[in-house]
Amino acid sequence: EPEVTQTPSHQVTQMGQEVILRCVPISNHLYFYWYRQILGQKVEFLVSFYNNEISEKSEIFDDQFSVERPDGSNFTLKIRSTKLEDSAMYFCASSPTNTEAFFGQGTRLTVV
Amino acid sequence: SQKIEQNSEALNIQEGKTATLTCNYTNYSPAYLQWYRQDPGRGPVFLLLIRENEKEKRKERLKVTFDTTLKQSLFHITASQPADSATYLCAINAGGTSYGKLTFGQGTILTVHP
Repeated sequence: EPEVTQTPSHQVTQMGQEVILRCVPISNHLYFYWYRQILGQKVEFLVSFYNNEISEKSEIFDDQFSVERPDGSNFTLKIRSTKLEDSAMYFCASSPTNTEAFFGQGTRLTVV
Repeated sequence: SQKIEQNSEALNIQEGKTATLTCNYTNYSPAYLQWYRQDPGRGPVFLLLIRENEKEKRKERLKVTFDTTLKQSLFHITASQPADSATYLCAINAGGTSYGKLTFGQGTILTVHP
């Protein structure tokens, strides 16, 4: 069964460093998303992406965040200058119809 | 303010019984409501979607109801098994310009005892 894959599974970074989280969505899906989940809290929407542009973004998704689909398969989330409060699980998801979402296994980001 | 609340943080039931989980929302008019399963350290897994004009949806041992008057969805797992133990999340698509954006509840941890 097709699945969303994310790399790396764990990332530890120093505060102020840039990180790039990578995702390969399901191949025939057109809608892509990033969510995050701080330990013990709700899954929170960050951004949606369709037709090579951002469709919607949350208040969390400030100027430190950016997304890119550099080629036909990858979808990346970049955090320019990480803060301690960026520590969380980051989930990529994709959808064929912009309704139900299929999530990857996540990247655990730890900022020290 | 907008809220999605799943009424129980944790639910413990005996194998073979029906688990019923509740999701209430306020100040939303969702186009869809969805249920996901999340295991520890893993991403949410899509289970069922129900539209605003649907009352009930079934898939194998799962059943979802949606009452837009009460602003509530119930999620049932019949003949529960220990393998059903997980956190169950409800999520709303707000519709309109926020069509694809999912807003999640905090989840209910279900434990099915053998």
